[in-house]
Amino acid sequence: DTAVSQTPKYLVTQMGNDKSIKCEQNLGHDTMYWYKQDSKKFLKIMFSYNNKELIINETVPNRFSPKSPDKAHLNLHINSLELGDSAVYFCASSQLSLAETYNEQFFGPGTRLTVL
Amino acid sequence: GNSVTQMEGPVTLSEEAFLTINCTYTATGYPSLFWYVQYPGEGLQLLLKATKADDKGSNKGFEATYRKETTSFHLEKGSVQVSDSAVYFCALSDRMASGSRLTFGEGTQLTVNP
Repeated sequence: DTAVSQTPKYLVTQMGNDKSIKCEQNLGHDTMYWYKQDSKKFLKIMFSYNNKELIINETVPNRFSPKSPDKAHLNLHINSLELGDSAVYFCASSQLSLAETYNEQFFGPGTRLTVL
Repeated sequence: GNSVTQMEGPVTLSEEAFLTINCTYTATGYPSLFWYVQYPGEGLQLLLKATKADDKGSNKGFEATYRKETTSFHLEKGSVQVSDSAVYFCALSDRMASGSRLTFGEGTQLTVNP
């Protein structure tokens, strides 16, 4: 199936650990995103990559480091995990088109991170 | 900066009731507007969209009209079903030359009882 996929779906870990979340899209898109959804369901963009280049970098602690090895993948590595990092992380992708008034974003199923 | 404000939830309705979820926005320029839906345990799905003033987006019986004069994009459905129970997010797209950023409202939890 064509889709945006994320692994793992659930991640439970201790404070201070380092963990990674992987995202892959097979939609042929050139732009990928990471969003964070907190416990109150509020969604906020963290990063965006276009053709493997960072184009959006919101105010996120530098413990969070995205990596895009190719256009189809955008991974999120988190160092020294803290309790406040517990959230659901969503990956999304879109195809940039300057001719269109918007570029629809397609979301993955999310990764629920719990830091103990 | 851009922002989106949704009516506070949760909203609980009986099946076949009329639904309105209010959404207002603040933005520079002419954003595109969206409603996304998140079913339990799933990711976000685009429900409907409108890209310019007075456009009406519609899908699965849901409708929303882009009102520039009131900076609003209220979601409506004439007769809700149990299967509509989900969290609904209003969003706007801040489109830049190098990509687009979605700014979301707080989300509104809808529960429809049989």
